Amino acid sequence: DAKTTQPPSMDCAEGRAANLPCNHSTISGNEYVYWYRQIHSQGPQYIIHGLKNNETNEMASLIITEDRKSSTLILPHATLRDTAVYYCIVRVARVGEETSGSRLTFGEGTQLTVNP
Amino acid sequence: DSGVTQTPKHLITATGQRVTLRCSPRSGDLSVYWYQQSLDQGLQFLIQYYNGEERAKGNILERFSAQQFPDLHSELNLSSLELGDSALYFCASSVHQYTGELFFGEGSRLTVL
Repeated sequence: DAKTTQPPSMDCAEGRAANLPCNHSTISGNEYVYWYRQIHSQGPQYIIHGLKNNETNEMASLIITEDRKSSTLILPHATLRDTAVYYCIVRVARVGEETSGSRLTFGEGTQLTVNP
Repeated sequence: DSGVTQTPKHLITATGQRVTLRCSPRSGDLSVYWYQQSLDQGLQFLIQYYNGEERAKGNILERFSAQQFPDLHSELNLSSLELGDSALYFCASSVHQYTGELFFGEGSRLTVL
């Protein structure tokens, strides 16, 4: 799976949009971009994923550049409860293969602090 | 609440001992994953099971073993414990075995003294 690079920390004001960047310049054509977050010592929480089109759900939006070498997770109206470590993960989709299993490789992530 | 249940939440034991961590996946999920999170290593994938069969193996020590039972719950056995095994152990589950959308439990915090 391709390696990702994220800034170690970011700050955001409450109510503002939080834009978290991720660089994955070695991404392959069959690799998806996944985002998770982990609020202090809790279990990681799935946020969103995408292949090449932009995606939006009730939690966030994912913007993937046309060359797919980078992406941005957008939390449109950050709250204090969004303070967490955000992980950007690139993963191959192995649909149809019965033996290789699946895993997510978590890096260091970005510590997002939402300030009042 | 992810629907994944892990027990115990906290466990304190001594070096050389053996412990068992238990995980009940979300209803309907066939795949179970174990991850270890220590302060200096981050989140490390240990092992994955799908419908009772081992599917993928990560950095799991030989002193550690796991299994998934017919009712789909899973257990992670840690033996000959060392101080460095102190960590949070997370279980996750998913419907399919080839998805990146995992649902994590709240973890079991193991302290080895």
